[in-house]
Amino acid sequence: QKEVEQNSGPLSVPEGAIASLNCTYSDRGSQSFFWYRQYSGKSPELIMSIYSNGDKEDGRFTAQLNKASQYVSLLIRDSQPSDSATYLCAVKKVQAGGTSYGKLTFGQGTILTVHP
Amino acid sequence: DTEVTQTPKHLVMGMTNKKSLKCEQHMGHRAMYWYKQKAKKPPELMFVYSYEKLSINESVPSRFSPECPNSSLLNLHLHALQPEDSALYLCASSGYSGTGVEKLFFGSGTQLSVL
Repeated sequence: QKEVEQNSGPLSVPEGAIASLNCTYSDRGSQSFFWYRQYSGKSPELIMSIYSNGDKEDGRFTAQLNKASQYVSLLIRDSQPSDSATYLCAVKKVQAGGTSYGKLTFGQGTILTVHP
Repeated sequence: DTEVTQTPKHLVMGMTNKKSLKCEQHMGHRAMYWYKQKAKKPPELMFVYSYEKLSINESVPSRFSPECPNSSLLNLHLHALQPEDSALYLCASSGYSGTGVEKLFFGSGTQLSVL
């Protein structure tokens, strides 16, 4: 079982629709959860972070976390063609030995295409 | 400001060359990272420096040699690379926000081609 799993897609939605991206993780010790957006040929850009169960909203983006189900999702409302990118789910857990800076484990990424 | 600056943006090198990648951040972050990303794959962690000391080495071949001269700078020295080492090399730094949450930010990357 992979540590972090995402549907690779591609996920295609029409402009103005809601895009729903999902991620599951295997380690219950995971503490923090992130969504990165990566355009082709560019580096990953942090768009959302979430640490507590429930929803967190930032503009058109909503992250949802359910630790009991080990599930995190990203909703993009009013999707725009400019949202077309690969979305990477990343999970952090503190390393053994107590180092305070943890290691991020990435999912394979979901390719999102928003068509006009 | 969440900027991590990497140079060069592109690098082509032969298998006998020695080159270095450079990374700089001025956010006061105390952890810095090197990731490697192949096309259509997620970033893979190579090294973590915490408080200028190497804390994680993900079993990276010795032809990659990291260096952290100070808390703002991170280098990756390259020597005798193989064509399969061609990839996007990403530097990142992380720090804790006022709410006690750690966030990691990437630089723009160096696209490396080994001939």
